[in-house]
Amino acid sequence: GENVEQHPSTLSVQEGDSAVIKCTYSDSASNYFPWYKQELGKRPQLIIDIRSNVGEKKDQRIAVTLNKTAKHFSLHITETQPEDSAVYFCAASRGGANNLFFGTGTRLTVIP
Amino acid sequence: DGGITQSPKYLFRKEGQNVTLSCEQNLNHDAMYWYRQDPGQGLRLIYYSQIVNDFQKGDIAEGYSVSREKKESFPLTVTSAQKNPTAFYLCASSFQGAGNQPQHFGDGTRLSIL
Repeated sequence: GENVEQHPSTLSVQEGDSAVIKCTYSDSASNYFPWYKQELGKRPQLIIDIRSNVGEKKDQRIAVTLNKTAKHFSLHITETQPEDSAVYFCAASRGGANNLFFGTGTRLTVIP
Repeated sequence: DGGITQSPKYLFRKEGQNVTLSCEQNLNHDAMYWYRQDPGQGLRLIYYSQIVNDFQKGDIAEGYSVSREKKESFPLTVTSAQKNPTAFYLCASSFQGAGNQPQHFGDGTRLSIL
């Protein structure tokens, strides 16, 4: 099955700086890569996703890049704010049954 | 996502007891999923269902059972065979159309052993 690895496990940045979280996947058939944000004790919220037919997608301060050849994708958050502090999960899916395989999460702390 | 409701929010299980976690959605989604989340780990798939009266095992189905008698409902039973049930359980749902459809999550149920 698919194996998704996520790094780093924790990340601290100063407010206003950028944060980058990286994920790799093993199944070359995976073609959908969502990112979720989870605040303590709450549900994961979809923040951005990318499909394998594009290399980059941006939504305001958040962007995701995908390198299919290297089988890795990254989340970029610019101009970080304290409310960005949360755990971020990447995931991969090959379609069909639409099952998501999740990374182990990155705890992002934005220091005011 | 207010369209997915999980209950109860907290649940306690005694030794040898089966407990059932509820998940209801009013988003008209075809597919529903159950995940388990442990501290420091990602979400792991327990069971999923793409259509009424059909469901498939995920990566960690042992000790769990599900049913899908209605499109809106996908209850999860944690049986006494699950020896380490303490975790945060998340239900999700999505459309099942061409291409990949985003999964949306409920608020979760936190299960503990008494």
